[in-house]
Amino acid sequence: DAKTTQPTSMDCAEGRAANLPCNHSTISGNEYVYWYRQIHSQGPQYIIHGLKNNETNEMASLIITEDRKSSTLILPHATLRDTAVYYCIVRALESSSASKIIFGSGTRLSIRP
Amino acid sequence: KAGVTQTPRYLIKTRGQQVTLSCSPISGHRSVSWYQQTPGQGLQFLFEYFSETQRNKGNFPGRFSGRQFSNSRSEMNVSTLELGDSALYLCASSYDGLNTEAFFGQGTRLTVV
Repeated sequence: DAKTTQPTSMDCAEGRAANLPCNHSTISGNEYVYWYRQIHSQGPQYIIHGLKNNETNEMASLIITEDRKSSTLILPHATLRDTAVYYCIVRALESSSASKIIFGSGTRLSIRP
Repeated sequence: KAGVTQTPRYLIKTRGQQVTLSCSPISGHRSVSWYQQTPGQGLQFLFEYFSETQRNKGNFPGRFSGRQFSNSRSEMNVSTLELGDSALYLCASSYDGLNTEAFFGQGTRLTVV
């Protein structure tokens, strides 16, 4: 079973920041938080990941709370092309099961013009 | 560099037949994982191959099998197809499957009639 809880759907106005929350209250110390997104009928796309520090790349920012029980993915300036299902995942890297990604139901993000 | 390539993109088979799907990982990647995506069950892990050996396995019946070749290309086979096997089959490649992000292909859409 997925170890994360996400809202089923969200919407955001184009050009605004999209903030997608994720709860992972049972995360273990060696588990990373990963975010993927899946645009309709395509394969999931890696966005960002982090352990305990906030992370930023060209696509998004990841804010992880100090107790690591929740995180927020931030798309700073949402565009229509960001409409997708966003998956928050926890993975224990450097373990024999690291390759077994457990996807939950994700959040369906709709960007409105 | 080229991404993950899955062939064919679309396939229609009849119940009882078998099917073989192919996945060519990103050059240099040695881990290949397979996933099944259906509207009812979401994205589910099938199995992972690393250095021609199955390293992880999900909860699927023995009709689902796979293999990996010395060039890291992988195939998955489904025998005695059932209507419920209709799904998007996704392949993901990563360098070692342990501590790097996974990159997904576009998938093969299998329809069983």
